[in-house]
Amino acid sequence: QVQLQESGPGLVKPSQTLSLTCTVSGGSINSDDYYWNWIRQSPGKGLEWIGYIFYTGSSYDNSSLKSRVTISVDTSKNQFSLKVNSVTAADTAVYYCARSGIAGTTTPAFDIWGPGTVVTVSS
Amino acid sequence: DIQMTQSPSSLSASIGDRVTITCQASQDINTYLNWYQQKSGKAPKLLVYGASNLKTGVPSRFSGSGAGTHFTLTINSLQPEDIATYYCQQYDTLPPTFGQGTRLEIK
Repeated sequence: QVQLQESGPGLVKPSQTLSLTCTVSGGSINSDDYYWNWIRQSPGKGLEWIGYIFYTGSSYDNSSLKSRVTISVDTSKNQFSLKVNSVTAADTAVYYCARSGIAGTTTPAFDIWGPGTVVTVSS
Repeated sequence: DIQMTQSPSSLSASIGDRVTITCQASQDINTYLNWYQQKSGKAPKLLVYGASNLKTGVPSRFSGSGAGTHFTLTINSLQPEDIATYYCQQYDTLPPTFGQGTRLEIK
């Protein structure tokens, strides 16, 4: 079955760029039925959706991150990635990648999640 | 953004109890509401989608109901493995937003 796995540095310095990759296994990212999402969880803000990407490269991100986010996809590697620039301590969180179905075709929910990766912003 | 408010924030119940968690949306979201269970140190898991549809493989003691702005998740006959934090999430309008969570403990 489809599995997701996040990878990337666990420590990022303030003002630098946070970079994470999610590898999809057991299925293809090239699907008309799913979006590929990034979600984070911190004690202060709970679960926060960051954004999604479609395999074509079409993406949408949460305006709460004030245009600091870039989400990209590499279909040849079956991966999608997240970059958050100008990070501060407020970006410290567990970061999850997750699959969501497109309403009307598949389950319109975050139905598969990676295990999560802890990212700490600190000098 | 649509605000999702869960109550209670925490709940203590006994094995075998019926437990109800509520979720209120700041505006009408039809039935575009999902429920997740998160155990300590793990990623959330989908339980219910579309307000009342149980995901395949989820025990039938879980059920969801509601529409518009008021929703409930019910656990009939609480089991030890149900100890977790539960979250609602709306998908009516981007960005999808989550409730703050309800922590369920055993009494």
